[in-house]
Parts: sequence; C-alpha cells; structure tokens
Amino acid sequence: GAGVSQSPRYKVAKRGQDVALRCDPISGHVSLFWYQQALGQGPEFLTYFQNEAQLDKSGLPSDRFFAERPEGSVSTLKIQRTQQEDSAVYLCASSLGDIDQPQHFGDGTRLSIL
Amino acid sequence: AQKVTQAQTEISVVEKEDVTLDCVYETRDTTYYLFWYKQPPSGELVFLIRRNSFDEQNEISGRYSWNFQKSTSSFNFTITASQVVDSAVYFCALSERDSSYKLIFGSGTRLLVRP
Repeated sequence: GAGVSQSPRYKVAKRGQDVALRCDPISGHVSLFWYQQALGQGPEFLTYFQNEAQLDKSGLPSDRFFAERPEGSVSTLKIQRTQQEDSAVYLCASSLGDIDQPQHFGDGTRLSIL
Repeated sequence: AQKVTQAQTEISVVEKEDVTLDCVYETRDTTYYLFWYKQPPSGELVFLIRRNSFDEQNEISGRYSWNFQKSTSSFNFTITASQVVDSAVYFCALSERDSSYKLIFGSGTRLLVRP
C-alpha cells in the first residue's frame, strides 16, 4: 500500500506479558518515528530512526521499551513485562528525512493491558 | 524548553460558521517548522500544512487558512464555512532543527460541527 502500515490494529495483553508492534513505513522513507498517544492527549515522541540507526530514544519511558529497525525498513516496538500504564495508542510515522518533510502516520496500534 | 499549547479543548459550531483554532508555541531554536494535523474518529493523523520559521506569509488552501505570527509565537488555523466532515481533533505540532526532527504536539482541539 501507499501509506504507513501498522499491525496489529488492536492488541490486548495481560499485565506482565511482552508485546511486539510492527510498522511498515512508506517505501523510500528514511526516517521512522514512534509516538505514544494516551486517551485525550496529543502524541508523545518515543524514538527516531534514520535508516537502521536509532538516533534518538530519549522518549522511551523505561528500559522495558525497545525498538529496532534492522534493515532500515520495517520497525518493531517491543514492550517487555507490560504494565497498565502502557495502555495507549502507539503511532508510527515515516518521512523522507529532512526537517521540513511532513511525517506521515499509520492508523496506530491500540494497546490495552488488563 | 519547547512546548505547544492549544488552549481550546473543544469547540462546537453550526455548519457554515467560520472557526479558528489557536496554537501558541515556545522554542529557543531559530530554525523550526510548524505543522497542523487532523485526527478524525478513525484515528489516523492526516497532515494538513507545514510552515518554516522564516516564512510568515499566510496560506490559504480552499476553506482552510493559516496565520503564522512570530511576534506572538502563534500559528492559528481557520476553517471557513465549516462542514460536518470537518469534525475531528486538530493538533498543532512543532519540529526543531536541533531536536532530531521529532514532532512536539499540543494537546489538541476537538472540533464538532453540527448540521
């Protein structure tokens, strides 16, 4: 498809389980971002990749959060030992790479931790 | 520190009314970009516009217009002759050259256009 694709669309997990969220960016986009959006709030930055290099992970809330983009295309956000406060929508965005280029977002993964 | 403030939490208008969504930002960077995104009930963030810090020219696109004023650190968005399909949450965002291109979002304004 032409847009950013995220899967799964919805994920329900029990507290303590590990989850993995996938993002397939727009073809040719070198930059990839992950954001977390709590209910009723704006998205908050988690981490940023340029190709396969993770250049900024300052927004990851704890060491339970881990992201990778090994071949510079698809990215996975992993959350270990999930907690209830991890419940949110996780958004992935990609762009051509320069600051003036808009980020294009996927539909997000809605994560619910029971 | 960088910050984006959207003071209007929710706005309700009747179809065909004009409506302005406010956005105020804070940054120490001299080179930055401002964006507006629309988030309909489906959840996807849809890009609407970007402006750079060196271009204060206002922009009009159909029923949408944007007013960027550096003197007041504001980047306001006006919808003329609103339609029910404009109902969504609108986010203003800031990107700084020195901050790895990440977007800093405001808390959003929910716009409800009633028929």
